[in-house]
Amino acid sequence: DQQVKQNSPSLSVQEGRISILNCDYTNSMFDYFLWYKKYPAEGPTFLISISSIKDKNEDGRFTVFLNKSAKHLSLHIVPSQPGDSAVYFCAASNPGTYKYIFGTGTRLKVLA
Amino acid sequence: GAGVSQSPSNKVTEKGKDVELRCDPISGHTALYWYRQSLGQGLEFLIYFQGNSAPDKSGLPSDRFSAERTGGSVSTLTIQRTQQEDSAVYLCASSLGRTTMGQPQHFGDGTRLSIL
Repeated sequence: DQQVKQNSPSLSVQEGRISILNCDYTNSMFDYFLWYKKYPAEGPTFLISISSIKDKNEDGRFTVFLNKSAKHLSLHIVPSQPGDSAVYFCAASNPGTYKYIFGTGTRLKVLA
Repeated sequence: GAGVSQSPSNKVTEKGKDVELRCDPISGHTALYWYRQSLGQGLEFLIYFQGNSAPDKSGLPSDRFSAERTGGSVSTLTIQRTQQEDSAVYLCASSLGRTTMGQPQHFGDGTRLSIL
């Protein structure tokens, strides 16, 4: 049972435009959501997180939106840069645990 | 800086052999995780250590898989009698795990395991 889903395996965006990566989840008890970026042959690196008590968190070019009623979160990257080309994973955790459940990832390609 | 270190970076072995993968977490991180990423798949949780608590082994796929964490620091993941389906990248991560929830995990670069 996949509790965290990233239904788009890949996405291509023109440099300078907005990239929107989506993530859906089934467990309404999740209390933290995180986004990671992964380059080939490297481990994932943390990008940005959001608590379930918020609906938006922003850090530079990266903004995460949380819609709890729809059990949906999204990562917006504006403006997109070629260096943003990577696989992006969303992850979620249950209250009181440090265990994260990861989605299957979305490969973003930013075209110059 | 001293990030999460994994060794070896690559391992090729014959089916049926045992393998041992090592993870050095960030100093002071009490939580340590092992994940597996098979080709074209997401991160599959294997096992989680938190301080001196009993580990959460719920993700280990079979009894051929085991992990230890000695002295609350270094961890080894052992796969006995390897099978071809064990071929994957094995990722280790650590986090502070001591303060507020939502602490991000810091990942190593993984061990790419290939079973011939």
